[in-house]
Amino acid sequence: SQELEQSPQSLIVQEGKNLTINCTSSKTLYGLYWYKQKYGEGLIFLMMLQKGGEEKSHEKITAKLDEKKQQSSLHITASQPSHAGIYLCGADKGSNYKLTFGKGTLLTVNP
Amino acid sequence: GAGVSQSPSNKVTEKGKDVELRCDPISGHTALYWYRQSLGQGLEFLIYFQGNSAPDKSGLPSDRFSAERTGGSVSTLTIQRTQQEDSAVYLCASSLPIGPFGSPLHFGNGTRLTVT
Repeated sequence: SQELEQSPQSLIVQEGKNLTINCTSSKTLYGLYWYKQKYGEGLIFLMMLQKGGEEKSHEKITAKLDEKKQQSSLHITASQPSHAGIYLCGADKGSNYKLTFGKGTLLTVNP
Repeated sequence: GAGVSQSPSNKVTEKGKDVELRCDPISGHTALYWYRQSLGQGLEFLIYFQGNSAPDKSGLPSDRFSAERTGGSVSTLTIQRTQQEDSAVYLCASSLPIGPFGSPLHFGNGTRLTVT
C-alpha cells in the first residue's frame, strides 16, 4: 500500500517565521491534497497538486509537488497564530477516490 | 451552500450497544466517503459511495460495520455491538464525481464516538 510520511511530526515556531512541512511517498503520487484540521473540526481543503513540478499558492501558503511526483512540501511564509493546527497530506492510489493520508504535522505558532 | 453536516457531534455509548452516525453531504455531490480518525493512527478509509454504483466497502474493519446511502444523499454508518477499539472520530466527506483531474473531498466536523 502507498504510505505517506510527513515530517516533522510537530513544529513550534514564533509568529512571523517561515516554515516547511514535507510529505513523502515511496510510490508515484497521482494526486496530492493538503488539508488543515483544527481540534474538534473536520479537514479544511487547502490545495490539490497533480502535475510534476506543480506549485500553487493561497495567501501565505505555497505547496509544491516535485518532478518525480513522490514528494510535496507545504511552505508557510510569515506564520500567524491562525495558521496553527494539524496539516495533513493525502494522496490517491490511482483509484481516484480512496485517499491515503499521512499522520499529520501539528503546527503551533507562538505570538 | 451548507457544508457536510454530521450528527451527532459527540456520542458516548456502552460497549455492546449499536450506534448510528449520520452524514448529510453537500448538495450536488454524488460521491460520499466515510473515514475514521484514531489517535496515532491517522485517517483510515472505511467506505465510498458513488451515485448508484455498488459502494466500495473494502475499508470496513469488521462485519459489525455497515453503511447505507438513501436516495443518493444522506448516509448512515452503523456500528453494531460496539467495542472500545471503535472509539474514534468518524469523518464523512463528499465530492463532485471523480474525474481524471480528481476532485477535492469536503469533510464534515465528524462524530466523536466514545465506547465505555
